[in-house]
Amino acid sequence: AQKVTQAQTEISVVEKEDVTLDCVYETRDTTYYLFWYKQPPSGELVFLIRRNSFDEQNEISGRYSWNFQKSTSSFNFTITASQVVDSAVYFCALSEAAAGNKLTFGGGTRVLVKP
Amino acid sequence: KAGVTQTPRYLIKTRGQQVTLSCSPISGHRSVSWYQQTPGQGLQFLFEYFSETQRNKGNFPGRFSGRQFSNSRSEMNVSTLELGDSALYLCASSLVASGAGEQYFGPGTRLTVT
Repeated sequence: AQKVTQAQTEISVVEKEDVTLDCVYETRDTTYYLFWYKQPPSGELVFLIRRNSFDEQNEISGRYSWNFQKSTSSFNFTITASQVVDSAVYFCALSEAAAGNKLTFGGGTRVLVKP
Repeated sequence: KAGVTQTPRYLIKTRGQQVTLSCSPISGHRSVSWYQQTPGQGLQFLFEYFSETQRNKGNFPGRFSGRQFSNSRSEMNVSTLELGDSALYLCASSLVASGAGEQYFGPGTRLTVT
């Protein structure tokens, strides 16, 4: 069965510090997809990135970057030069090709960026 | 393009009552999935509909049901409400059903059962 673990429940940083969120997943499927979502206090889940199991290229989008390593079943997320607006709960999620759009979420990591 | 919309945004019900929540996906999206979010259990998958057919179901009792209409709008129903059903209910829409596409979430319906 699939499982996503986000070991860090809460991270507190001062503005402009970098912060890395860890995500470890388990799946028996060879074709799967990994996601990161941001949930600000308003509650809506905001899509950040999707990665498929065959694409291990790291990705950078502005201050956000993602490191996907199949060898360690990890899909970590780094926010560079954090800002107060980055304060939110961040979720890592997994879907397996055999299970359609069913997302299995990690427990989330709350990021608090202090000015 | 309008995003995923959910109605109502807030709901207060009494134990034993039933409730229907609605989700309108992004135009052109035919897949709608529902999730329950609680502080204790986190985000849990309820079910997914694609072209009016339920494709996948999570581990929830039969009191939770859903359906999808020909215009891709979806409703979920919870009968005989229990206190533990208090949660944020989120729906997500996607263009494809394979898990390969981005899934976009609505703002959620916050249900409180008293």
